[in-house]
Amino acid sequence: ETGVTQSPTHLIKTRGQQVTLRCSSQSGHNTVSWYQQALGQGPQFIFQYYREEENGRGNFPPRFSGLQFPNYSSELNVNALELDDSALYLCASSSSAGREGNTIYFGEGSWLTVV
Amino acid sequence: AQRVTQPEKLLSVFKGAPVELKCNYSYSGSPELFWYVQYSRQRLQLLLRHISRESIKGFTADLNKGETSFHLKKPFAQEEDSAMYYCALRWGAQKLVFGQGTRLTINP
Repeated sequence: ETGVTQSPTHLIKTRGQQVTLRCSSQSGHNTVSWYQQALGQGPQFIFQYYREEENGRGNFPPRFSGLQFPNYSSELNVNALELDDSALYLCASSSSAGREGNTIYFGEGSWLTVV
Repeated sequence: AQRVTQPEKLLSVFKGAPVELKCNYSYSGSPELFWYVQYSRQRLQLLLRHISRESIKGFTADLNKGETSFHLKKPFAQEEDSAMYYCALRWGAQKLVFGQGTRLTINP
């Protein structure tokens, strides 16, 4: 059983508000990535953090931002929420940003509904 | 740009019948392909990766660079195989691009 945990599991926000989603990576994993999965779609890469630094970003606007802490846990922040931000947000962790062959483990996700 | 295409959103087969879930990719570098599975009310989990060349739960997938495909196959479907299946390509370091997914339903 993977050790990636996310909170909250579900939340509802109003358009224009801000949201913070949290992720605890699997023990020993120093790389955390965030994905957005809209209904009926595959997950889309938002950004990745490695040793507290952003290490790549997908096609998402600057109002999507993140942090990684010294214990490798991470936050995803979304400002000025829009209706289209409604999705499942997945956190994924792995053991290193520079090596091949390491398995990427996913959390159960946080369901965000924007009304 | 890297892209993964799963042409079938839905696939329904009878128990005991062969299953093939299609995946095609576009990537300028050396590809590393995966299949992830999501059972009902469970998290996304790795099913298999092409570099391992292994069979998991009876599923196999062969990377065909000429056809840029990584189709997932199983000779005899079981009811517990019903799930969402996602093909994914690793790009950069530990980053994945996913296909849209195929919902596989195994009928009794």
